[in-house]
Amino acid sequence: DTGVSQNPRHKITKRGQNVTFRCDPISEHNRLYWYRQTLGQGPEFLTYFQNEAQLEKSRLLSDRFSAERPKGSFSTLEIQRTEQGDSAMYLCASSLGWGKNTDTQYFGPGTRLTVL
Amino acid sequence: QQPVQSPQAVILREGEDAVINCSSSKALYSVHWYRQKHGEAPVFLMILLKGGEQKGHDKISASFNEKKQQSSLYLTASQLSYSGTYFCGTEGQAGGTSYGKLTFGQGTILTVHP
Repeated sequence: DTGVSQNPRHKITKRGQNVTFRCDPISEHNRLYWYRQTLGQGPEFLTYFQNEAQLEKSRLLSDRFSAERPKGSFSTLEIQRTEQGDSAMYLCASSLGWGKNTDTQYFGPGTRLTVL
Repeated sequence: QQPVQSPQAVILREGEDAVINCSSSKALYSVHWYRQKHGEAPVFLMILLKGGEQKGHDKISASFNEKKQQSSLYLTASQLSYSGTYFCGTEGQAGGTSYGKLTFGQGTILTVHP
């Protein structure tokens, strides 16, 4: 399967713990996006990478959240000192991202985080 | 700002048609449509760029009226497999570094019965 993959698929943690999620984009996709989705809502943009450069972060992303994309391949999203309000589905998407054009974003299956 | 989708929910019988609307209060560069089934990733349907082109594949098509900042998704002769939540994702005017940053609507739940 050459789609976007995310690990783990499910994560249950206690409040105050740190968690890290991984996203592997489609091979040769230059752009990588992180979104958060809560029940009954559409995905909300968190941050986005063009290759290894993090170009934009949403105001939703507090300083407890950090994302990296070393070498422009896979990406990790870390949440420190988790809170119950962080419980959500965290979706990753990737796109070809050549030049300054909009293009199709392909989503991964997501990581469902539950903070107890 | 989040685009507004209408209706919030639609119930159809197989073979019936439906229209889902997406409206934005800001100027748009593109509109992206996705379908998401429960517990699964959103699946891409189509992109519409500024220019008002109507696009489609099979029995699903869409239009984009850039003057009204609205897009509509048309599903004809619905099938059971069309059931799911449909989201529009909007992209503001191109510029800066926000290429591809999508703002999604709250979704429209479509249920198709036999």
